[in-house]
Amino acid sequence: KQEVTQIPAALSVPEGENLVLNCSFTDSAIYNLQWFRQDPGKGLTSLLLIQSSQREQTSGRLNASLDKSSGRSTLYIAASQPGDSATYLCAVTSRGTNAGKSTFGDGTTLTVKP
Amino acid sequence: DAGVIQSPRHEVTEMGQEVTLRCKPISGHNSLFWYRQTMMRGLELLIYFNNNVPIDDSGMPEDRFSAKMPNASFSTLKIQPSEPRDSAVYFCASCPNYSNQPQHFGDGTRLSIL
Repeated sequence: KQEVTQIPAALSVPEGENLVLNCSFTDSAIYNLQWFRQDPGKGLTSLLLIQSSQREQTSGRLNASLDKSSGRSTLYIAASQPGDSATYLCAVTSRGTNAGKSTFGDGTTLTVKP
Repeated sequence: DAGVIQSPRHEVTEMGQEVTLRCKPISGHNSLFWYRQTMMRGLELLIYFNNNVPIDDSGMPEDRFSAKMPNASFSTLKIQPSEPRDSAVYFCASCPNYSNQPQHFGDGTRLSIL
């Protein structure tokens, strides 16, 4: 059974800092890994999707990496801003017998202080 | 594009009543997912469809839960009879192809069972 873990559960940083969020998964038989953002009371917004054959993806100040063999991904946020405050979730999409099944971590709640 | 549309946004009902949640996926998306989010259990995948066919319903908690997708533009999640422990936010998501495309989430239905 796929399990996804995110560390830390919560993070508070001053504005302008660079930061890293971590995600680990137990089964490397995946199609892709996605990072999402969730604001309070809202749905999830996809930030980045990394295919299993890729090592990283970048979008603006965000960079996500994937090491499938070790079951790890990181989300790097450069020059953090108060507007980045939200909960960040990672999810893997399984292949094989559970093809298409998505498993989410519990998220990291980020607070960026002005 | 209007995005994934869920209704109702909020529902409050008494224990024992039937609850029906509705979802309209983004046009052209072949995969549809139903999730439940609670503080205790995080985001859990209940069931997902591919080309209107249920692929994996192992996340459906009990026989009281059922989901249908009669056509490519509509899906329902039904709880009958409802219980207080079913209180949660229920999300619907869709994507063009689960192997290489990001999921798009609706704003969710906040369900309270009294």
